[in-house]
Amino acid sequence: DAGVIQSPRHEVTEMGQEVTLRCKPISGHNSLFWYRQTMMRGLELLIYFNNNVPIDDSGMPEDRFSAKMPNASFSTLKIQPSEPRDSAVYFCASSFHLATQYFGPGTRLTVL
Amino acid sequence: KNEVEQSPQNLTAQEGEFITINCSYSVGISALHWLQQHPGGGIVSLFMLSSGKKKHGRLIATINIQEKHSSLHITASHPRDSAVYICAVRSQGNFNKFYFGSGTKLNVKP
Repeated sequence: DAGVIQSPRHEVTEMGQEVTLRCKPISGHNSLFWYRQTMMRGLELLIYFNNNVPIDDSGMPEDRFSAKMPNASFSTLKIQPSEPRDSAVYFCASSFHLATQYFGPGTRLTVL
Repeated sequence: KNEVEQSPQNLTAQEGEFITINCSYSVGISALHWLQQHPGGGIVSLFMLSSGKKKHGRLIATINIQEKHSSLHITASHPRDSAVYICAVRSQGNFNKFYFGSGTKLNVKP
């Protein structure tokens, strides 16, 4: 298996633009996690899905952030409108039944 | 107050030394995870445990549920062990919330 796939790997955008991050989990995994990492706040869990259903979205910072998982093999994290403080590395991870998580390589987002 | 506290925040060791990183938590948990993040940024899950002890190569993780404490040990440390080690817990109950420590930055010098 190729592991967790994230795209794009790097994204540079201007304030106010919409940003969409994509994640393909490992085949057979039924839990998917979106994380954000910054120097100031460290690693934060934004939201996670179990069997495509959002379980805990308490980490989503505000209404500008939304996440979807339309099927077991794809998820998106959308920021609209983006702000400079959203600049961070966004990780996606997947697991089987909340067991060991496998992380993707991350998307480095820069909002100018 | 953070639900997960790690110590030390920073640790410098000489190659070959035995290293211990500690994690204390304040919530009832279903499982505890140890993660490793290398300087290049990639994150790897080292262990998931809910009781006792697990060993993988030179790494050993232990957990004491009664004391709400876990330790990560590295035997015969090597410069390639230099990384940030993060403790995370999944709480008990219906919501299965995750809480993260702030990480321990380990630097092993040759």
